[in-house]
Amino acid sequence: NAGVTQTPKFQVLKTGQSMTLQCAQDMNHEYMSWYRQDPGMGLRLIHYSVGAGITDQGEVPNGYNVSRSTTEDFPLRLLSAAPSQTSVYFCASSYISHAGGVNEQFFGPGTRLTVL
Amino acid sequence: GQQLNQSPQSMFIQEGEDVSMNCTSSSIFNTWLWYKQDPGEGPVLLIALYKAGELTSNGRLTAQFGITRKDSFLNISASIPSDVGIYFCAGVSGTYKYIFGTGTRLKVLA
Repeated sequence: NAGVTQTPKFQVLKTGQSMTLQCAQDMNHEYMSWYRQDPGMGLRLIHYSVGAGITDQGEVPNGYNVSRSTTEDFPLRLLSAAPSQTSVYFCASSYISHAGGVNEQFFGPGTRLTVL
Repeated sequence: GQQLNQSPQSMFIQEGEDVSMNCTSSSIFNTWLWYKQDPGEGPVLLIALYKAGELTSNGRLTAQFGITRKDSFLNISASIPSDVGIYFCAGVSGTYKYIFGTGTRLKVLA
């Protein structure tokens, strides 16, 4: 199993450009999520999904879109990049328990994004 | 957005010493998790706690789920140089949302 994979590893954008960060998992996890990590801020949830066709907002969703057309893939789209979106982005996935909650999340290696 | 209060923010310790860090929240959580992040990598799960009062060990690591469900602590015994990194706590409520702490940066002096 490759686990959670993310591409690209590094990216530099100019203000106003759009791009998609890719995330894929091969563990058949129902739950997938995107976080951004800024210095001294820990990880903040951007968007998450509990299954194909179902997405919801986290605590910092503005400026980002997601879709979940398959169980395996959960791309994150920046529609018009801004310098405030310079950050490290992590994708993660998890099973959903029988009780309906999520447990251990497995994280990808991250995408380091700089917006000039 | 809500974040968990994690302390200390950073610590330097001597190799062989024990380490304690904790995480507190104003909200109740159903699950507490502790992750470690090495430089340039994604967080890796260390310990998961599912029940108030639960005490769980993983090698030299021990973590507890607070009775009030609003806190958790992590102990590392007999620290070694490879323990260096950032340790994050995370609380999970019933709404699929993980809330992470701000991290404790650990440096071990050989």
